[in-house]
Amino acid sequence: GDSVTQMEGPVTLSEEAFLTINCTYTATGYPSLFWYVQYPGEGLQLLLKATKADDKGSNKGFEATYRKETTSFHLEKGSVQVSDSAVYFCALMYSSASKIIFGSGTRLSIRP
Amino acid sequence: DAGITQSPRHKVTETGTPVTLRCHQTENHRYMYWYRQDPGHGLRLIHYSYGVKDTDKGEVSDGYSVSRSKTEDFLLTLESATSSQTSVYFCAISGGDQETQYFGPGTRLLVL
Repeated sequence: GDSVTQMEGPVTLSEEAFLTINCTYTATGYPSLFWYVQYPGEGLQLLLKATKADDKGSNKGFEATYRKETTSFHLEKGSVQVSDSAVYFCALMYSSASKIIFGSGTRLSIRP
Repeated sequence: DAGITQSPRHKVTETGTPVTLRCHQTENHRYMYWYRQDPGHGLRLIHYSYGVKDTDKGEVSDGYSVSRSKTEDFLLTLESATSSQTSVYFCAISGGDQETQYFGPGTRLLVL
């Protein structure tokens, strides 16, 4: 079946460091891919998405490229800030099913 | 922000009692979802709805039922609460493209 695997956290970085959070997926079809972010005490918010192979999603300095050949959708940011501390979820979804499969989440902590 | 509210936000109950959680939206979106969030599991889909009186099961539906009598309201009922249902419950609605989901603030449920 379909699944999403994320790197385990927590990930701790210093401010202005480069961030990569790995995400790989297993899919029987051609899903859309998402990154959601959850700040403490809140629900999830869409961070970025890509709907087909080679698409790049970007938002707030974060980027991820839909790589079909490596079945990956790694999240990157060139210079993290303390305010980026949160839990990040990778997810896949088929438009016909209208349901999302989430990874287990990666907690990110940024030190000043 | 999408107009989604959940009630109650916190609840403590005893094993064997019925519990109903409410999700209310003001966006007139067709799709609504209930997820539970547990450490190490990410979010798992309990039930979803694709219209008034139209619902379907997710991957962890045992012990839960749902109802949707109006577009704006989606109710989740734990028929006889168990300690394994202690969790944080999130409601979500689909955006206009039927892929992006918008999440409510969550309900923290403790079953003693």
